Amino acid sequence: GEDVEQSLFLSVREGDSSVINCTYTDSSSTYLYWYKQEPGAGLQLLTYIFSNMDMKQDQRLTVLLNKKDKHLSLRIADTQTGDSAIYFCAERKAGGYQKVTFGIGTKLQVIP
Amino acid sequence: EADIYQTPRYLVIGTGKKITLECSQTMGHDKMYWYQQDPGMELHLIHYSYGVNSTEKGDLSSESTVSRIRTEHFPLTLESARPSHTSQYLCASSEGVSPVGEKLFFGSGTQLSVL
Repeated sequence: GEDVEQSLFLSVREGDSSVINCTYTDSSSTYLYWYKQEPGAGLQLLTYIFSNMDMKQDQRLTVLLNKKDKHLSLRIADTQTGDSAIYFCAERKAGGYQKVTFGIGTKLQVIP
Repeated sequence: EADIYQTPRYLVIGTGKKITLECSQTMGHDKMYWYQQDPGMELHLIHYSYGVNSTEKGDLSSESTVSRIRTEHFPLTLESARPSHTSQYLCASSEGVSPVGEKLFFGSGTQLSVL
């Protein structure tokens, strides 16, 4: 089946690093995503990684993929109050008619 | 900047009423989706469409119905709302498969409360 699991809540101090974790069960997942949802807004694609990659870095964001353990993480360096949001892990298999499956979302609270 | 719009933003109605949640996108995307989001729960896909006159039910059973008469418009209708329909409804669209697999653009959502 397709399951994406995340913890519900993470609290960090401003300036620290945040690490949000995700596990997925479908080993055929080809694309893995992190979406961000700010209060009162829809989800926005933050970053993504292909299943044949181990790591992707984009400014303050680092995505790590352990395909053997089906574990995905998002690290936010120098976390700011503006990073407070809900972060959704998502996966998709290859193919034109595959759907994106989302986790429950991790609420990140940044304490000033 | 996503050009996908949902109205109303909030809706409080009584049991038994018929309601339509509107979703429009100006990006010319063929694929459109409706997700249901409850606090602490994953987003559940309830309907999707791959183009005009194409609609499919999603992973989560829903008593709602959808239509896709125009590319840009994908309304969701509940014929008789019940308190169990209280939830956040998110509309999304995508241009299809791209180098990143599929990039979804989301609207801001409609928070529905049925009393």
